[in-house]
Amino acid sequence: KNEVEQSPQNLTAQEGEFITINCSYSVGISALHWLQQHPGGGIVSLFMLSSGKKKHGRLIATINIQEKHSSLHITASHPRDSAVYICAVVKSYGGSQGNLIFGKGTKLSVKP
Amino acid sequence: NAGVTQTPKFRVLKTGQSMTLLCAQDMNHEYMYWYRQDPGMGLRLIHYSVGEGTTAKGEVPDGYNVSRLKKQNFLLGLESAAPSQTSVYFCASTDDRLSGNTIYFGEGSWLTVV
Repeated sequence: KNEVEQSPQNLTAQEGEFITINCSYSVGISALHWLQQHPGGGIVSLFMLSSGKKKHGRLIATINIQEKHSSLHITASHPRDSAVYICAVVKSYGGSQGNLIFGKGTKLSVKP
Repeated sequence: NAGVTQTPKFRVLKTGQSMTLLCAQDMNHEYMYWYRQDPGMGLRLIHYSVGEGTTAKGEVPDGYNVSRLKKQNFLLGLESAAPSQTSVYFCASTDDRLSGNTIYFGEGSWLTVV
């Protein structure tokens, strides 16, 4: 079983809809990152969370450490939000800096 | 401020050839990483570095070597390319532990080994 699971794998929405992408993990973590990857392009960091909730524009990220779950919400979705959204967790063991574990991503397509 | 720059962006190699991918960052970050991304799989760590002159193996290091002779540069070498190394490679950097800071990625390098 993967240590980081995202759902759904694929998501199609109409412009204006409220979108939720989920991330569940099975390991102890010290932080969780949400990343965005546009087609054929690089990866951009959206949020880094260790507790609670963060908001940036139309994007909201929440994390529940006890339930080992995080959600990324997009309000008033727009076609330019179409991208792959990736959840990545920082395992909380030892001092290794290489301990970022990635989910497989959620491919979002927003139709006009 | 260019952030993280990878070169080359695209490359086709023949089996057995060698090549080097260059990652350069202008943010004075201590930590740098090389990942590969394959269809249906999450990003996987190849090698990483926690400072100039240091390197360490990640999850999938076989067939790759790295060097960090200068703080701003992290090189990924393929000694003898194999078709299994066909992938998209991403470099990333951060200025401290991943649990406390934003991670910055390059634009990716598309490598095909035939």
